[in-house]
Amino acid sequence: DTGVSQNPRHKITKRGQNVTFRCDPISEHNRLYWYRQTLGQGPEFLTYFQNEAQLEKSRLLSDRFSAERPKGSFSTLEIQRTEQGDSAMYLCASAPLSGVADTQYFGPGTRLTVL
Amino acid sequence: SQQGEEDPQALSIQEGENATMNCSYKTSINNLQWYRQNSGRGLVHLILIRSNEREKHSGRLRVTLDTSKKSSSLLITASRAADTASYFCATVAIGGGSQGNLIFGKGTKLSVKP
Repeated sequence: DTGVSQNPRHKITKRGQNVTFRCDPISEHNRLYWYRQTLGQGPEFLTYFQNEAQLEKSRLLSDRFSAERPKGSFSTLEIQRTEQGDSAMYLCASAPLSGVADTQYFGPGTRLTVL
Repeated sequence: SQQGEEDPQALSIQEGENATMNCSYKTSINNLQWYRQNSGRGLVHLILIRSNEREKHSGRLRVTLDTSKKSSSLLITASRAADTASYFCATVAIGGGSQGNLIFGKGTKLSVKP
């Protein structure tokens, strides 16, 4: 069990640029979640995948954000035309399919800074 | 939006003392979970308590749940400097098409001084 990995760990970009983050979940986990965490706050849910299907999206996920999980394994989160307000830690979590309300396993996060 | 609040927002204690953190939430829940986050890192799951449970123990951790008051507490006994971290409670809502996404509070920042 290698755990959930996220790349890159840090990303600094200029306002208006596009960025893409990658999450590799624990291999047998069907469920994958993206969260965003700003300084001093708890994580907030962005979107959920069950295998390759994106089943839920938060209202936080504006049309500048898009997420994919093409083969039901790794996932990518892209932010287009970044804004300073997008600066945050982006966390990915995975979980097995059994028990929709059970423990989630988090990756180390990608810290985005938009200048 | 955040589900609820942790209390206190920050807590500073000496090594060996007990640390108690409280969490309140707003909606009916399936379960409540506590997570720990070291500075700038991802979250680590500590303990899960289901809505039909009132108390649960895991090592030096003790969690209580009062669904009538929509509140939970996390007690860390005999704290160590390595317990220094932020602690978050998270709930999973019942129904409403919930896909199990966690709803977090704002966290309690615990500092344990050696």
